[in-house]
Amino acid sequence: EPEVTQTPSHQVTQMGQEVILRCVPISNHLYFYWYRQILGQKVEFLVSFYNNEISEKSEIFDDQFSVERPDGSNFTLKIRSTKLEDSAMYFCASSQDTPPREQYFGPGTRLTVT
Amino acid sequence: EDQVTQSPEALRLQEGESSSLNCSYTVSGLRGLFWYRQDPGKGPEFLFTLYSAGEEKEKERLKATLTKKESFLHITAPKPEDSATYLCAVHNSGYALNFGKGTSLLVTP
Repeated sequence: EPEVTQTPSHQVTQMGQEVILRCVPISNHLYFYWYRQILGQKVEFLVSFYNNEISEKSEIFDDQFSVERPDGSNFTLKIRSTKLEDSAMYFCASSQDTPPREQYFGPGTRLTVT
Repeated sequence: EDQVTQSPEALRLQEGESSSLNCSYTVSGLRGLFWYRQDPGKGPEFLFTLYSAGEEKEKERLKATLTKKESFLHITAPKPEDSATYLCAVHNSGYALNFGKGTSLLVTP
C-alpha cells in the first residue's frame, strides 16, 4: 500500500540553525501539506502546496518557513533560523484531490531545538 | 475559539466493553469530517470521512456517525490493539484540516 515517507525521523539542532525536513508524498497525489504537533497539543496546519506554489498557509507559517518541491518526488519544509518553540513533530501529508478529499499522513519528523 | 471539541479526553475500557467517542464542531458550512487514529510517536492514520448529516461508515469494530453538530465514533467489543488516540478533524473551506485534541483510548485485557 502506498504511503507517505519522511526523513529524518528525528532531528536535533541548535537554536538559530537551519533545518530541512524531507517528505516523499504518495506518487499519484497532487496536493501536499505540512502540519505540526507540539507535544501534548493538537495537530496544527502549516501550509498546503499545489502545482508548485503555496495554496494556503496558516499564521504559524511565517517568513522563517519555506516549502519546495525540488524534483518529481520530494517535498521539503525549511526552517531558516530555528527557535526553541519550533520543537515539535512535523507531519507531511498528501491527497489526490482538494479537501474534503482525505489527507494521508507520514510518520513524522521529531524536531528538537536546543 | 475551538471549532472542534473531543470528549472524553481519555477513556479506559475493558476488552469487549463497547463505548462511543464524541466530536462536536461549531464550523459553518462543514464540507467534511474526518476521523484518524494516532499511535504514540506516529502520524495520524486515516479512518473515515463523513460528508453530510445522517451518514454512517464502518470499518471492523469502528462505526462513525455524523449529525449537524457532532460526530460519534462507536467502538464495538474493543480489543487491546484498538488502544490509540482518536483524532477528529473538520474541513469547511480552503485546504486545511482543523483538528481536535483527541481522545486517548486504552483497552485493557
